Amino acid sequence: DVVLTQTPSILSATIGQSVSISCRSSQSLLDSDGNTYLYWFLQRPGQSPQRLIYLVSNLGSGVPNRFSGSGSGTDFTLKISGVEAEDLGVYYCMQATHAPYTFGAGTKLELK
Amino acid sequence: EVQLVESGGGLVQPGRSLKLSCAASGFTFSNYYMAWVRQAPKKGLEWVATISTSGSRTYYPDSVKGRFTISRDNAKSSLYLQMNSLKSEDTATYYCARGKGPNYWGQGVMVTVSS
Repeated sequence: DVVLTQTPSILSATIGQSVSISCRSSQSLLDSDGNTYLYWFLQRPGQSPQRLIYLVSNLGSGVPNRFSGSGSGTDFTLKISGVEAEDLGVYYCMQATHAPYTFGAGTKLELK
Repeated sequence: EVQLVESGGGLVQPGRSLKLSCAASGFTFSNYYMAWVRQAPKKGLEWVATISTSGSRTYYPDSVKGRFTISRDNAKSSLYLQMNSLKSEDTATYYCARGKGPNYWGQGVMVTVSS
């Protein structure tokens, strides 16, 4: 199974600070169809997950453009350019290139 | 507006069965892959099952393979998860979700496996 390793596990930030979360895969996530099925989700406390980024770098509908995704192969990054209070919660990366699909363990973003 | 509403959760004894349902609305259900994802209390997300648009292809992790069955009824815009031989480690909130990298999620339904 593909293992996704997220770092850091906890991220403390001030409002307005820019932060990054890393997601490293144990295998390349480039599919034979040319797509890389790597996604980012945010789960706010008490809520269902919300998709932020799809196919590595595409911003989900209604997602603020302070969020961005990048990477290729096995190394991926989610960046938040100017943290806002509503961004607090747990961030997960997920891969759907190789079955079984897998999630990273999560990165908790909290206020410093 | 896209809506996914799960039902069927509850308390069940180890070894017993339970069937979850997800009623979908606000989109053409038959056009989308659908999935179940679960989250044990205070833990991370775990993918449980995915089904193709027609239902002809299904995918599971080893942790549930042979015990859980995902199915769909496109005429009723409904998704199901039949869970057999339940174990305590299946205790979780189960989310119905749309798509391969889901862009819509239900509110979740709690399943507790305990004697």
